[in-house]
Amino acid sequence: DVKVTQSSRYLVKRTGEKVFLECVQDMDHENMFWYRQDPGLGLRLIYFSYDVKMKEKGDIPEGYSVSREKKERFSLILESASTNQTSMYLCASSPQVGTEAFFGQGTRLTVV
Amino acid sequence: GQNIDQPTEMTATEGAIVQINCTYQTSGFNGLFWYQQHAGEAPTFLSYNVLDGLEEKGRFSSFLSRSKGYSYLLLKELQMKDSASYLCAVRAFGGNTPLVFGKGTRLSVIA
Repeated sequence: DVKVTQSSRYLVKRTGEKVFLECVQDMDHENMFWYRQDPGLGLRLIYFSYDVKMKEKGDIPEGYSVSREKKERFSLILESASTNQTSMYLCASSPQVGTEAFFGQGTRLTVV
Repeated sequence: GQNIDQPTEMTATEGAIVQINCTYQTSGFNGLFWYQQHAGEAPTFLSYNVLDGLEEKGRFSSFLSRSKGYSYLLLKELQMKDSASYLCAVRAFGGNTPLVFGKGTRLSVIA
């Protein structure tokens, strides 16, 4: 079974802090994704990566950056957290972009 | 552009059948996925359609009509544990194009 693991289930951070959300997958997938999920807005793509050191902006990249130094790990970085970044963050991986995505359990981030 | 529409909420009775619709307008189409997501949990894959017609998998079936830009997920013999959100996602053509998700339909199964 594919396993996608996010480093934290719940996080509380202060406004202005730099926040790192980590995601690791164990199936040697080329592609990894970061989404945020908000009530009434559904899943929105922040960034994705189709290879090590490669990244592409999704629909809502502002205020975020990403890092993919190793194939199995994809990090989402909030350079200066703001309250409007309070959300559920979901990481996913897939063998090819546009094929079945496997999701991590999610990180519920609260910025106060 | 891409647009995917699903009803926001539905309620159905235990033991009944429910149909969750999804319509899409995308620049190119190369398949449609359905995911189930229980509250506070990750989405999990249910089905994939790329050709027209019905795909059956136990109590769940998914239908696709490419000419109409339409899909539905059919859940039979509803159980309380089927209470969840159901997400429709479309795969566009070509290149490195991620799945585009609808906003999801929250299904409540009542006794």
